[in-house]
Amino acid sequence: RKEVEQDPGPFNVPEGATVAFNCTYSNSASQSFFWYRQDCRKEPKLLMSVYSSGNEDGRFTAQLNRASQYISLLIRDSKLSDSATYLCVVNMNTGFQKLVFGTGTRLLVSP
Amino acid sequence: DAGITQSPRYKITETGRQVTLMCHQTWSHSYMFWYRQDLGHGLRLIYYSAAADITDKGEVPDGYVVSRSKTENFPLTLESATRSQTSVYFCASSESGEMNTEAFFGQGTRLTVV
Repeated sequence: RKEVEQDPGPFNVPEGATVAFNCTYSNSASQSFFWYRQDCRKEPKLLMSVYSSGNEDGRFTAQLNRASQYISLLIRDSKLSDSATYLCVVNMNTGFQKLVFGTGTRLLVSP
Repeated sequence: DAGITQSPRYKITETGRQVTLMCHQTWSHSYMFWYRQDLGHGLRLIYYSAAADITDKGEVPDGYVVSRSKTENFPLTLESATRSQTSVYFCASSESGEMNTEAFFGQGTRLTVV
């Protein structure tokens, strides 16, 4: 079983739609969680951290469910510019900053 | 320009050759990392460094060598390139090793081994 698993997609949605991605992780001791965004042929960039209480940043909402070991990202009112691959990232907390990346979920927003 | 830069951006090399990928950051971040990204895999950690002269293996270190004589530089060397090392390589840095610290990535080096 992969340490971090994501549905690869692609998710094809029209502008204005709401879309949600899920990610599961295997290590119950994991302590910190992130969503990174990666545009085609570019480097990953931090979108948002994910906190136990859930957090929101504009149109983006991230949730963490420790009991079920999954993380979600909700994007409301999708924009064309949201088209990208979204990487679920988990810090396995092994004494150094070990970030484990999912393979990513591709989002395509169409007019 | 400030930030983290990688060179070269693109490289084609032959099997068996030694090749070095460069990474330079201007933030004086303590931690630096090398990842490779391949289809079907997430980014996988090759090596990391907690400070100058301190390096350690990641998930896929075989065939790679790193050094960190200065805080700002973290070169990655493929001692004898193989086709399986064809990949996109990303260097990253973070201010500390604390759990919630953001990692900043370079633009990547696309390496093709023929």
